[in-house]
Amino acid sequence: GAVVSQHPSWVICKSGTSVKIECRSLDFQATTMFWYRQFPKQSLMLMATSNEGSKATYEQGVEKDKFLINHASLTLSTLTVTSAHPEDSSFYICSARDTGQGKPNTGELFFGEGSRLTVL
Amino acid sequence: QKEVEQDPGPLSVPEGAIVSLNCTYSNSAFQYFMWYRQYSRKGPELLMYTYSSGNKEDGRFTAQVDKSSKYISLFIRDSQPSDSATYLCAMGGPYGNKLVFGAGTILRVKS
Repeated sequence: GAVVSQHPSWVICKSGTSVKIECRSLDFQATTMFWYRQFPKQSLMLMATSNEGSKATYEQGVEKDKFLINHASLTLSTLTVTSAHPEDSSFYICSARDTGQGKPNTGELFFGEGSRLTVL
Repeated sequence: QKEVEQDPGPLSVPEGAIVSLNCTYSNSAFQYFMWYRQYSRKGPELLMYTYSSGNKEDGRFTAQVDKSSKYISLFIRDSQPSDSATYLCAMGGPYGNKLVFGAGTILRVKS
C-alpha cells in the first residue's frame, strides 16, 4: 500500500508556543489529505480536509485560526497548532488518498504513524 | 444515533480462536467499507477494503458486507497474540472524500 510519513512522531512544547506537524505522501500524489485527532481509547475525529493549492475545509467546532493547515504541494501538508495549550495535547494523525493521474477514487485512505503532542 | 456503531469491547479470546468483529451503520449511501488495525500509539493500518456488498478474503482475514442489513464484519481465523490491537471499521459514500469511523474494538488475543 501507499506510504504516508508523519513528522515528528512525538513533541513536547510549552504552553503558548506553536508546533508544526508534517504529513508527506512518499510514493504517490495526494491532492487531498485529512487531519484527524484521537483521544485515548476513542476513535478518530476528523478535524479538517487539506486541499492542495487551496484553503482547507474545517469540520464544525474546529478553530481554523488555531489549527493552521497548509497544503503547498502534492505530497506535503502541514498542521500548525498555534498558541498551544494543555487541552490541545492529543494524538494527531494525517491520512491521504492516492489521487495520481489515472488513479480511480476507491476511497482507500492511508494513514501516517501519528504525532503525539504534549503541551506542558 | 451514531452513523456507525461498533462495540468498543474489549474482546478477549484465546490464541487460535476465530474472531468476529462487527459494525452497523445507518447511511444507505455508503458504498465502500474498510477495516483498519491500530496498534497502541500508532497510526491506523489498512487491513481490508471492500466495495459494495460481498465477501473478500486475504490470508486469515475475511471481510463481509451486507448492505441490505447495513452490517459489516471482519473475521480473523487462527488468531495470534500479534493480532491484539484496536480494529476500526470505516465507510464512505460514492463521491465524498470523508470516511466515517466506528469507535474501534479492542481485541486481546491471549497465548
